Amino acid sequence: KQEVTQIPAALSVPEGENLVLNCSFTDSAIYNLQWFRQDPGKGLTSLLLIQSSQREQTSGRLNASLDKSSGRSTLYIAASQPGDSATYLCAVSEGRGTSYGKLTFGQGTILTVHP
Amino acid sequence: DARVTQTPRDKVTEMGQEVTMRCQPILGHNTVFWYRQTMMQGLELLAYFRNRAPLDDSGMPKDRFSAEMPDATLATLKIQPSEPRDSAVYFCASAPQTVYGYTFGSGTRLTVV
Repeated sequence: KQEVTQIPAALSVPEGENLVLNCSFTDSAIYNLQWFRQDPGKGLTSLLLIQSSQREQTSGRLNASLDKSSGRSTLYIAASQPGDSATYLCAVSEGRGTSYGKLTFGQGTILTVHP
Repeated sequence: DARVTQTPRDKVTEMGQEVTMRCQPILGHNTVFWYRQTMMQGLELLAYFRNRAPLDDSGMPKDRFSAEMPDATLATLKIQPSEPRDSAVYFCASAPQTVYGYTFGSGTRLTVV
C-alpha cells in the first residue's frame, strides 16, 4: 500500500525566504506526482505535475523535483510572500491496472509566511 | 475556465438522515474521484469511476455509503443513514483519460448533528 509522508508538518518563515517542502513515498511505481495548494475552507488547486519520466517542473517561483528511485520529491518556493500561506499537499498517482490514476495524498505542510 | 461543480456547498443534517452530494465533472473527463477530508485522516479516497464504471470503492463504508454515475455529467455520493462521524469535507475531482492533471471541486462541507 502506497504511503506518502510530508515534512515538515508546519513551517513559519519571514517574507522573502526561499524554502523547501519535502515529500516521500514508499512505492516507486508511480505514474506521476502532483503538488497542490489548499487555502483554508477551499478546494485543492493544482500547482505542478511531474510525470514519472521527468525530473522537475517549474512554474514561476515554484520548482518541483522528483527522484523516483529514492521515492522523494521536493517543492522549492523562491522569495516567499504572505500570499503563499496555505497548506501544500503532495499526491502520487498509481500506474498499474485498475488503480491507474488513483491519488494517494500526504498529510500536507502548513506554510505561514509572515510580513 | 473549466471547473468541477459540487452541490451543495454546505449541508447540516441530523443523524439518521439521508445525504446526497452531487458532482458535475469537467466535460470530456472520463475519470471521477470522491475524496473525504478530515483533520485527523487527511484526504482519503472513497471511490472512483472510469467511463462511469466503478473501479475502486474500497475506501467507502459499504453499509451506508453508495456512489454512482448515472450519466457522464453527474456523479453522486449518498450516505444513508448519516452519522456524526461522517462530518467532513467531501471533494469530487475529475481527470482526462491520460490522468494528466486532476481538477478538484470546491467540496461539500457536511455536518451531521
